[in-house]
Amino acid sequence: KAGVTQTPRYLIKTRGQQVTLSCSPISGHRSVSWYQQTPGQGLQFLFEYFSETQRNKGNFPGRFSGRQFSNSRSEMNVSTLELGDSALYLCASSLDPGDTEAFFGQGTRLTVV
Amino acid sequence: SQQGEEDPQALSIQEGENATMNCSYKTSINNLQWYRQNSGRGLVHLILIRSNEREKHSGRLRVTLDTSKKSSSLLITASRAADTASYFCATERYSTLTFGKGTMLLVSP
Repeated sequence: KAGVTQTPRYLIKTRGQQVTLSCSPISGHRSVSWYQQTPGQGLQFLFEYFSETQRNKGNFPGRFSGRQFSNSRSEMNVSTLELGDSALYLCASSLDPGDTEAFFGQGTRLTVV
Repeated sequence: SQQGEEDPQALSIQEGENATMNCSYKTSINNLQWYRQNSGRGLVHLILIRSNEREKHSGRLRVTLDTSKKSSSLLITASRAADTASYFCATERYSTLTFGKGTMLLVSP
């Protein structure tokens, strides 16, 4: 069974640009969550999608957005990139929202210069 | 904001010794989970303990949960060099995970 796949693995962008990250969950998993990991703030919840609907959103500005497709694949977008957006972005999938374990992808390392 | 706070921030032990990490949290939870992360890679799920459970075992891992003290501990017995990693506790509530800042464990051969 394939794990959670995130693409690309590494990305370098310039301030002001926008970026789209992709996440393919484990087959059969319908819930996808996104997290940002930085040395200063640690792991922070961005948003969660289930059945193409955003169920929860973390405390991030509107420049951070996401969506989920009918096949449960998810994308997140960051517009008008800032240096502080440099981070490891992790996607996690689970069967359903709530009381189940989450499986994480290897992450996308975004560097904003 | 961080829900879980791990203690200690860093731990260095010899192979064969036991490693204990603690986690405290602030609000009520549905469950608490422990994850391992190797050097900036993805997180690997270790164990989940539900709010109505007090102790759980998985191989060399033992997790306890005290909801009255809002705390949990992860014990790794007979540690190996391959256990070197960062360990995070995460509390689940309203289907989102809130992570602590983690404990960096170094196991020396």
